[in-house]
Amino acid sequence: SQTIHQWPATLVQPVGSPLSLECTVEGTSNPNLYWYRQAAGRGLQLLFYSVGIGQISSEVPQNLSASRPQDRQFILSSKKLLLSDSGFYLCAWSVTASSYEQYFGPGTRLTVT
Amino acid sequence: AQSVAQPEDQVNVAEGNPLTVKCTYSVSGNPYLFWYVQYPNRGLQFLLKYITGDNLVKGSYGFEAEFNKSQTSFHLKKPSALVSDSALYFCAVRDTNTGGFKTIFGAGTRLFVKA
Repeated sequence: SQTIHQWPATLVQPVGSPLSLECTVEGTSNPNLYWYRQAAGRGLQLLFYSVGIGQISSEVPQNLSASRPQDRQFILSSKKLLLSDSGFYLCAWSVTASSYEQYFGPGTRLTVT
Repeated sequence: AQSVAQPEDQVNVAEGNPLTVKCTYSVSGNPYLFWYVQYPNRGLQFLLKYITGDNLVKGSYGFEAEFNKSQTSFHLKKPSALVSDSALYFCAVRDTNTGGFKTIFGAGTRLFVKA
């Protein structure tokens, strides 16, 4: 069966510090991968998605970036965090060429102080 | 523009009563529709989907949803609510304008089930 991992679960970082959040998927090949941010426990904002290694589409211009160095690894990064980067970050995957439901990781709670 | 609307921020229901969480959509082409549930401090969980076929779709935890093409709605239902159903529910639609890679999520409806 497929599983998705995210770490860390929680993170407190000062303004201006770098960020690296990691997501890995097991039990599937060539998944579509997604990074979302959820603010205030409500709506989801799509940040990045990837349909293959090295292929990243950015949805929102900001100080975040994403990379996909391996088929089942998706990394969200920032060189300098802003207060507004605080939120709940969710990674998700879906099967390519299917009905496109997404499966989400447990999330990372980021607080920028 | 493609979109999903969840008109209720919150739904309150007593345990044992039927529940409905509303969703309407706007898409070009045939809709691929989804419901997800999120428990506190957790990721979203896929509940059910409508792709084609029977308008009544059954999913996890006793939930079902009814697709209504004329009303462009996809309401989530359960015959008898449980306290443990209290959570945040998201309706979503596949974004056909981007080759289906993206999903458009509604703003979410918080369900409270009172014992």
